Amino acid sequence: GQQLNQSPQSMFIQEGEDVSMNCTSSSIFNTWLWYKQDPGEGPVLLIALYKAGELTSNGRLTAQFGITRKDSFLNISASIPSDVGIYFCAGQLGAQKLVFGQGTRLTINP
Amino acid sequence: GAGVSQSPSNKVTEKGKDVELRCDPISGHTALYWYRQSLGQGLEFLIYFQGNSAPDKSGLPSDRFSAERTGGSVSTLTIQRTQQEDSAVYLCASSLPVLGELFFGEGSRLTVL
Repeated sequence: GQQLNQSPQSMFIQEGEDVSMNCTSSSIFNTWLWYKQDPGEGPVLLIALYKAGELTSNGRLTAQFGITRKDSFLNISASIPSDVGIYFCAGQLGAQKLVFGQGTRLTINP
Repeated sequence: GAGVSQSPSNKVTEKGKDVELRCDPISGHTALYWYRQSLGQGLEFLIYFQGNSAPDKSGLPSDRFSAERTGGSVSTLTIQRTQQEDSAVYLCASSLPVLGELFFGEGSRLTVL
């Protein structure tokens, strides 16, 4: 079945540093999404990507849909304490179910 | 409602008992999903509904798990004869079409003693 490999699994950084995480798949997708989950909450959508090669920004967040349709990355610039949480990538092909990566847990030292 | 609503938010039950988890999606959202998240883990797909039908129920772990959706709105996930390995947060999400942007509830945390 479809699987997403998300890395790194965890990150420990200093406030102000940039962050980069990515997802790869053995299958192609035509939609990539990035979610963030705070403790005790459900995941919240950060960025949605619908076209191969697409580069999209949302404030300090930038995400790209890989040209092969098998990968995506998320960058966070100038991290702040509220960026702490778990980040999930998710991919979808057609009207099939959304498949999630295992998450990247981000911890920020002030 | 304004968002996806799930109940109960917390449920503690004894092994062998049945539990029902409820999801009330965003009004007008035709697609509804159930995911399971074990402690510190990713999201495991269980089932999704388009309207009242379930085109993909491939993620249900065993025949103890079932779900239904009525009136194209509220969904109930039922776990029969609960086991300790069923302990997890059960997340519900809905979307307008069956594409992409899922909106999640806060989850129902199930603990089986």
